[in-house]
Amino acid sequence: QKEVEQDPGPLSVPEGAIVSLNCTYSNSAFQYFMWYRQYSRKGPELLMYTYSSGNKEDGRFTAQVDKSSKYISLFIRDSQPSDSATYLCAPTGSNTGKLIFGQGTTLQVKP
Amino acid sequence: KAGVTQTPRYLIKTRGQQVTLSCSPISGHRSVSWYQQTPGQGLQFLFEYFSETQRNKGNFPGRFSGRQFSNSRSEMNVSTLELGDSALYLCASSLAQGNTDTQYFGPGTRLTVL
Repeated sequence: QKEVEQDPGPLSVPEGAIVSLNCTYSNSAFQYFMWYRQYSRKGPELLMYTYSSGNKEDGRFTAQVDKSSKYISLFIRDSQPSDSATYLCAPTGSNTGKLIFGQGTTLQVKP
Repeated sequence: KAGVTQTPRYLIKTRGQQVTLSCSPISGHRSVSWYQQTPGQGLQFLFEYFSETQRNKGNFPGRFSGRQFSNSRSEMNVSTLELGDSALYLCASSLAQGNTDTQYFGPGTRLTVL
């Protein structure tokens, strides 16, 4: 069993839709929860970062962590064609430079 | 401020050869981590360097090695290349060791092994 499971998609939605991206993880020691976005032919860029359980909102993006069920989500409101990218979750242990990534979900937002 | 730079951006090698990839971190960043990205396995951690010392290592064979110089620039080397080593190799820099929340990635080096 992989430490982090993420549905690779692809996921295709119309512009303006609400998008839900999800990951599950197995290691209860994970405390930091990141979402990275990767455009084609680019390196990943940090989108959201959450410590422990709870919600965090940043503009159209909301990250949600439920440590009891080891489930993390990223919601995108009013999705735009510019949101078309691969989204990678990375739940990680404390004080380590090692990021553990999910497989990544490829999202396409159609105009 | 310049971002993380990686050279070369593209590389084609044949089986059995060796390759060296280079990473220049963001100015002031002292930690460099390396990752391999493939369609099948996704992004996997290779190793982390801080103050010229390897601090953390992923589950890769000894053919994969790296080093860091006093100016924080880092290189990774893959010896005796195999077809399965074809991948995008990404380096990420952060201010200090273990800073998971501030890793900045470069554009990667795409390695093709024929």
